[in-house]
Amino acid sequence: EADIYQTPRYLVIGTGKKITLECSQTMGHDKMYWYQQDPGMELHLIHYSYGVNSTEKGDLSSESTVSRIRTEHFPLTLESARPSHTSQYLCASRAGQGFNEQYFGPGTRLTVT
Amino acid sequence: AQKVTQAQTEISVVEKEDVTLDCVYETRDTTYYLFWYKQPPSGELVFLIRRNSFDEQNEISGRYSWNFQKSTSSFNFTITASQVVDSAVYFCALSEALYNTDKLIFGTGTRLQVFP
Repeated sequence: EADIYQTPRYLVIGTGKKITLECSQTMGHDKMYWYQQDPGMELHLIHYSYGVNSTEKGDLSSESTVSRIRTEHFPLTLESARPSHTSQYLCASRAGQGFNEQYFGPGTRLTVT
Repeated sequence: AQKVTQAQTEISVVEKEDVTLDCVYETRDTTYYLFWYKQPPSGELVFLIRRNSFDEQNEISGRYSWNFQKSTSSFNFTITASQVVDSAVYFCALSEALYNTDKLIFGTGTRLQVFP
């Protein structure tokens, strides 16, 4: 069983607000990922990290930013939320060696009004 | 270019029916890994299986089985005697050893609905 947590699970917020989505894992995994999932189900990689102080942009351009100050923590921040940011955000991690599977958190469903 | 295609957007079956979810992949790499994930209504993606490109043996785990065929670039997933709890979105994914090594390339998912 994977130990990866996301908070909040649901968030409804007004346009222009700054928000941070939290993601933590207790498995000591080096690699962490953020995905955005649209209502059509498709998953888009928006950020990933190889380890502490490493962050990379994913395949889908996103206005969000991430940081990786501690191995276990990979928060995602939106400085000014907009309705177009309404989506499901999924965090994942995997062990650094080999081609291991990614383990996913429960997701944060964000609605910007 | 690397790509994963799940042509079936949605499948509906009645409980106890067998159902096969199709997955076709494209890759330029000779070493790669294929995965299946389940996403129940709760939203979390649950890892089901990983196969590497050198192991074409079929795998069975309870009611689940996977058929990997390199000749047709397919990695299909069969649920035998489906149950209502199998209702979920299922994703097939690809990871390449040489290119994009840190990323999973997902298909668009197949929504399975199992009716009682």
